[in-house]
Amino acid sequence: DGGITQSPKYLFRKEGQNVTLSCEQNLNHDAMYWYRQDPGQGLRLIYYSQIVNDFQKGDIAEGYSVSREKKESFPLTVTSAQKNPTAFYLCASSIDFGNGYTFGSGTRLTVV
Amino acid sequence: AQSVTQLDSQVPVFEEAPVELRCNYSSSVSVYLFWYVQYPNQGLQLLLKYLSGSTLVKGINGFEAEFNKSQTSFHLRKPSVHISDTAEYFCAVSDKGSNYKLTFGKGTLLTVNP
Repeated sequence: DGGITQSPKYLFRKEGQNVTLSCEQNLNHDAMYWYRQDPGQGLRLIYYSQIVNDFQKGDIAEGYSVSREKKESFPLTVTSAQKNPTAFYLCASSIDFGNGYTFGSGTRLTVV
Repeated sequence: AQSVTQLDSQVPVFEEAPVELRCNYSSSVSVYLFWYVQYPNQGLQLLLKYLSGSTLVKGINGFEAEFNKSQTSFHLRKPSVHISDTAEYFCAVSDKGSNYKLTFGKGTLLTVNP
């Protein structure tokens, strides 16, 4: 079955360490997105990529970095510059605007 | 710029009662509207979408929504809810001006009580 895989589901890191969240899709979608979800805040866009080797900042990109070397993969790095990294992170992909997004099951990052 | 307002952060209802989750949007151009559902510690799942045509849209799990252009609303309804409908619901909008990226509301937590 096609879908989006995010790993790991739970991630714990010490403050000051960089951490990379994985997002892989086998849907052949061109566009991929990273969102951050905090209680009562809805989903906020971190980065998005509409084609391989190209990506743009979203609304809250500071302290995060991404790469898009392959169509299937869009990893997100949470750097030590991100002041409040503890959150639920969601990856999504889309083939065109009319179909909305397909979401992964998320990674819950806890920084202690 | 587009924006989405979900008017209720929490909606408690009893099982088998009807429910309406309210969503208003702002956009200066033609929009595409979506409702998603999220169960605890999971990703979002598409419930239904409005792209064009009939303003009454039917989705999965017995949900439906009505697009009202004059009131810039896209309210979600279900005539009789089940315990299993307990989840968070997100309204989202996209338009040409945003390059079709989705903007989400802050969500409405629907709690269905026995």
